[in-house]
Amino acid sequence: KQEVTQIPAALSVPEGENLVLNCSFTDSAIYNLQWFRQDPGKGLTSLLLIQSSQREQTSGRLNASLDKSSGRSTLYIAASQPGDSATYLCAVRREAGAGSYQLTFGKGTKLSVIP
Amino acid sequence: DAGVIQSPRHEVTEMGQEVTLRCKPISGHNSLFWYRQTMMRGLELLIYFNNNVPIDDSGMPEDRFSAKMPNASFSTLKIQPSEPRDSAVYFCASSLRQGKEKLFFGSGTQLSVL
Repeated sequence: KQEVTQIPAALSVPEGENLVLNCSFTDSAIYNLQWFRQDPGKGLTSLLLIQSSQREQTSGRLNASLDKSSGRSTLYIAASQPGDSATYLCAVRREAGAGSYQLTFGKGTKLSVIP
Repeated sequence: DAGVIQSPRHEVTEMGQEVTLRCKPISGHNSLFWYRQTMMRGLELLIYFNNNVPIDDSGMPEDRFSAKMPNASFSTLKIQPSEPRDSAVYFCASSLRQGKEKLFFGSGTQLSVL
């Protein structure tokens, strides 16, 4: 059974700092990995999706990397801003087969960027 | 596009009452998912529809839960009778290609069963 772990559970950084959020998964047979952002009382917003054949994806100040063989992904946020404060979740989709449509989510990292 | 639309945003009800949650997926998306989020368990998949057909309802906790998708633009999740342990945030999400593309979530329904 796939398990997704995100460490740390919470992180507080001063504005302007570059930071890295970590995600690890136990089963490397994944189809893709998504990073989501969740603001309090809101739904999840997909930030980046990395296919299993890709090593990284970039969107603005965000860069997500994937090391499928070691079961790890990182989300790099450059020049953090108070508006980046939210909970960030990663989720993996397994390769083709029964239940492959399912995403397995981590519990998330709650990020606070202090002005 | 307005995104995935869920209603109501908040629902407070008494134990034993019927609760119906509604979802309108993004137009053109053929995959629809209902999730439940709690502090203890995180996000759990309840049921998955593809082309309006329920494919996997193994995550539905009990027979008290039921879901329908009568057409491509509407789905409901019903709890009857509701219990306090059903209190959670319920999300609807839609996607293309059986979830192989990005998953788009609604804003959720915060359910409180007293």
